[in-house]
Amino acid sequence: GENVEQHPSTLSVQEGDSAVIKCTYSDSASNYFPWYKQELGKRPQLIIDIRSNVGEKKDQRIAVTLNKTAKHFSLHITETQPEDSAVYFCAGDDMRFGAGTRLTVKP
Amino acid sequence: DTAVSQTPKYLVTQMGNDKSIKCEQNLGHDTMYWYKQDSKKFLKIMFSYNNKELIINETVPNRFSPKSPDKAHLNLHINSLELGDSAVYFCASSQLWGNTEAFFGQGTRLTVV
Repeated sequence: GENVEQHPSTLSVQEGDSAVIKCTYSDSASNYFPWYKQELGKRPQLIIDIRSNVGEKKDQRIAVTLNKTAKHFSLHITETQPEDSAVYFCAGDDMRFGAGTRLTVKP
Repeated sequence: DTAVSQTPKYLVTQMGNDKSIKCEQNLGHDTMYWYKQDSKKFLKIMFSYNNKELIINETVPNRFSPKSPDKAHLNLHINSLELGDSAVYFCASSQLWGNTEAFFGQGTRLTVV
């Protein structure tokens, strides 16, 4: 199956700063790259995804970028808010998840 | 209407017991999954069924057995429960296998004592 590695494992930022989480994948045939957010005690939910035919996708304060040559994709959160605090997961297109990044946004 | 529902939400049981967790989705999806999330929050895929056929069977003890009576249901049966089985188990479904959004159930917190 697809091997997805996610970094960093923890990330702490001040409110208003940007946060970037990166995932690398091994299968060059992969063509779907989702990001999930899991708030404390809740279920994971998709927040944004990208397919291999585009390099970037934005949705308000979040964006995902894809570098197929380097085989990595990144989640960008701008103007972070305390409610962005959660664990974020990337996944491969075979639904295997990265190890997760615990993001803490300090007020 | 709940899209993916699992029961029970909490399960406390003794070592050696056998238990089942049920999952149902009303989204008309073809694919269903079981994940185990441990205390470190790793979300590890256990099984995946597509159109009632097993397509992913990760390295999971054979005490764990999934059963899919139809496309809308994927149950997880666990025999001879061990302390290390304590975790949150999530069921999920997606329209197709991979390449599409997965919708998760609310999770079942299993505690083995």
